[in-house]
Amino acid sequence: GAGVSQSPSNKVTEKGKDVELRCDPISGHTALYWYRQSLGQGLEFLIYFQGNSAPDKSGLPSDRFSAERTGGSVSTLTIQRTQQEDSAVYLCASSLVGRRDRYEQYFGPGTRLTVT
Amino acid sequence: QKEVEQDPGPLSVPEGAIVSLNCTYSNSAFQYFMWYRQYSRKGPELLMYTYSSGNKEDGRFTAQVDKSSKYISLFIRDSQPSDSATYLCAMSAYGSARQLTFGSGTQLTVLP
Repeated sequence: GAGVSQSPSNKVTEKGKDVELRCDPISGHTALYWYRQSLGQGLEFLIYFQGNSAPDKSGLPSDRFSAERTGGSVSTLTIQRTQQEDSAVYLCASSLVGRRDRYEQYFGPGTRLTVT
Repeated sequence: QKEVEQDPGPLSVPEGAIVSLNCTYSNSAFQYFMWYRQYSRKGPELLMYTYSSGNKEDGRFTAQVDKSSKYISLFIRDSQPSDSATYLCAMSAYGSARQLTFGSGTQLTVLP
C-alpha cells in the first residue's frame, strides 16, 4: 500500500519568507508526527497529533512554527519568517496507536528545506 | 547531556564483518527500544523493536538491551554493502505513545 508522502521534496526559500510543508499519512493511521533532522543531528520532535485530541506542541522551537491536521488526515507544517537556522530535513511519520506492544512509526521521505 | 548518546562514526567495515552499533541513555523510564535504518535522502525505516531488557534476533540482525547499564546494541552479522546507511537508535517510555527520543545516528559503510 501507499506509504507516507511529503511534498515538496525540496524547498529553497529566502530568509523571511513563509513556507508550508505537507504530509499525507498512511490511510487509517491515527497518529501523525513531525520531526526535524539537521545535518549530523538526530531527529528532533516537533509536534504530535492523535485523533481529535489537542496536539502535543511541546517540541516546536518557536512561535514561528505551527501545524495543523485537517480531517484527521493530511497535515501542514508552516514556518513563518524563515531563518537560516530553519534549514533542515523535515520528516513526517504516522502510526497506529492503541496497540500497547507497538510504537512503530512509518516515515515519509522528508522535505529538504534550504533558507538562503 | 543528551538523553540518548550515540557515536556518530563514520564506521567503515569490510564486507562480511560483524558490526556493533551502540547507544547509551539516561532516562530510566525508557521501556521500548528501536533501531531505524536511514538510507541517504530517505526517511528512517524501522529495523528492530525490543521491549524492556533482553535480546531479539531477526535474520542477520540482533538487538540487545541492558537496562541495568542503560545500554543498547545492534549487531549485524555478515554485513553487506547494502547495509551501508545511517543507523538511529530510538526509545520511548512505558505508556507513552508519543514522540520517540532518537540518537544522532551512526553512519555505516560496508566496503565490497
